[in-house]
Amino acid sequence: EAGVVQSPRYKIIEKKQPVAFWCNPISGHNTLYWYLQNLGQGPELLIRYENEEAVDDSQLPKDRFSAERLKGVDSTLKIQPAELGDSAVYLCASRQGAGNEQFFGPGTRLTVL
Amino acid sequence: QQQVKQSPQSLIVQKGGISIINCAYENTAFDYFPWYQQFPGKGPALLIAIRPDVSEKKEGRFTISFNKSAKQFSLHIMDSQPGDSATYFCAASPDQGGKLIFGQGTELSVKP
Repeated sequence: EAGVVQSPRYKIIEKKQPVAFWCNPISGHNTLYWYLQNLGQGPELLIRYENEEAVDDSQLPKDRFSAERLKGVDSTLKIQPAELGDSAVYLCASRQGAGNEQFFGPGTRLTVL
Repeated sequence: QQQVKQSPQSLIVQKGGISIINCAYENTAFDYFPWYQQFPGKGPALLIAIRPDVSEKKEGRFTISFNKSAKQFSLHIMDSQPGDSATYFCAASPDQGGKLIFGQGTELSVKP
């Protein structure tokens, strides 16, 4: 069974530019999460989807970040415009049904210059 | 109250030794406590998890000890191996299958 797929794996952009990250969860997983992981820190939740619905986006900086999960499968996280402080790893995770285990993708490492 | 505090920040253990990582929490609504292992360039992977109705859970060389009254839990890695060298995160979830609140991480290095 394929795991959570994320692309790109690495992205380097200039500040004020837009950037987008893509996530394909494990097949059949209805819950999808986006986490932010700063260097040397634990992941922090940005947004959680149950199917197409964003059920927890309280930590998402909505002035510059947006996310969508069309058809309840793939998801895209966008930053516009990017700031220097956005340099981090963006992790996508998915979960099946009522189970607790979250499966993480390899992440996208963003560097903002 | 939503924080999970993890210690130590880094740990060096000799091969064959016991690695112990500790976590503490404040929110009594937490009901799921997993430990994740993360290698460089990879996403976190679930290692072992426990619920507050048991005080200990063992899977192979990995054991979680849980102290509900003290609001603390720990990971013990027995017979530590160089391949265990990674960053370990404790976490807690306040609701069934909801968001995970992670500790700050412990970088474990097992010396041969």
